[in-house]
Amino acid sequence: AQSVTQLDSQVPVFEEAPVELRCNYSSSVSVYLFWYVQYPNQGLQLLLKYLSGSTLVKGINGFEAEFNKSQTSFHLRKPSVHISDTAEYFCAVSEGQAGTALIFGKGTTLSVSS
Amino acid sequence: NAGVMQNPRHLVRRRGQEARLRCSPMKGHSHVYWYRQLPEEGLKFMVYLQKENIIDESGMPKERFSAEFPKEGPSILRIQQVVRGDSAAYFCASSPPEKSYGYTFGSGTRLTVV
Repeated sequence: AQSVTQLDSQVPVFEEAPVELRCNYSSSVSVYLFWYVQYPNQGLQLLLKYLSGSTLVKGINGFEAEFNKSQTSFHLRKPSVHISDTAEYFCAVSEGQAGTALIFGKGTTLSVSS
Repeated sequence: NAGVMQNPRHLVRRRGQEARLRCSPMKGHSHVYWYRQLPEEGLKFMVYLQKENIIDESGMPKERFSAEFPKEGPSILRIQQVVRGDSAAYFCASSPPEKSYGYTFGSGTRLTVV
């Protein structure tokens, strides 16, 4: 069965510092990988997704993620964070065709301070 | 182009009452998914529907919960005889019928059972 592990529940960083949010998954088949961001009291917004092709995926707001099949990881990175990046970040995985449910990790709270 | 619309945003019910949560998918989207987010948890898949059909309800509790997506109108998630443990944020997502990955989420309904 699929599962997603976000290794850090909270990540505090200073503004303009780089950040990496870690995500590992388990699956026996090919997967599709996603990162979503959730601001307080809002829904989830898609940051980026990996379906196939280049393992380095660029998303919105300056975020990028790298798919590493051998390590079953899909870590999210940003070279320089802003206060406005403070939010909850969710890694998710799905198998197969469109319509397959997403399996989410428990989330990582990114707190950016000045 | 309105996004996924969920209402109400906040819902308070007393134990034993019924809760009805509504979700209007994005224009052109015929696939709807419901997720539940408990405190300190990630999102858990509940049910996947297409117009007039339940495709996958593997995440739905066996009792008290039901969902529908009629030919006309929004998708409805119905919780009968609510209990305190039903308190959570319920998110709806939609996707178009052609193959695609990733979903557009609504802002959620926060259900509080008192």
